[in-house]
Amino acid sequence: AQSVSQHNHHVILSEAASLELGCNYSYGGTVNLFWYVQYPGQHLQLLLKYFSGDPLVKGIKGFEAEFIKSKFSFNLRKPSVQWSDTAEYFCAAINQAGTALIFGKGTTLSVSS
Amino acid sequence: GAVVSQHPSRVICKSGTSVKIECRSLDFQATTMFWYRQFPKKSLMLMATSNEGSKATYEQGVEKDKFLINHASLTLSTLTVTSAHPEDSSFYICSARSGRNEQFFGPGTRLTVL
Repeated sequence: AQSVSQHNHHVILSEAASLELGCNYSYGGTVNLFWYVQYPGQHLQLLLKYFSGDPLVKGIKGFEAEFIKSKFSFNLRKPSVQWSDTAEYFCAAINQAGTALIFGKGTTLSVSS
Repeated sequence: GAVVSQHPSRVICKSGTSVKIECRSLDFQATTMFWYRQFPKKSLMLMATSNEGSKATYEQGVEKDKFLINHASLTLSTLTVTSAHPEDSSFYICSARSGRNEQFFGPGTRLTVL
């Protein structure tokens, strides 16, 4: 079955630390990949997406992600996190039928000031 | 960006009653909307895909007779939880797909069944 895996369940960082959250998807072929963020009490917001082209994608709020096809990965990075980055982060991919998003289980990021 | 609304944001009902949740795309037309269920500390689980003017496509394990979906217009999809039970208590989120194949999410509806 198609799946999206996020390896880090809960990440705890201090402000200014660098962040990398892992994401792997299970199927080959054309993929459309996304990272969403859900701040406490708010709904899902799109951070960035990859459809094609440059595998290094820059998103909002200083986040970026790199698509590595050979590793089936789409890791999220930020060089210096802030307290306001505390949130739940979800990696997602459009399924092979192109009909729906498949989500990873999410990673909780806690940033201490 | 595109806005998707949900109503109500929170509902508490008695066991055995039915609850309707509305999902609207406010500034764009969406031929396809999706309904997800989010469990505490868990990811979103796709329940069904709702296509305007046709029957919804349900994911494996989702009871179509329990979770009725209607997509009567290009801006409105409804999810009705019929004969709700406490185990149906959850956070239900809808999304609407734009012409650029992006999904925009609603704020969610917290359902509590007593």
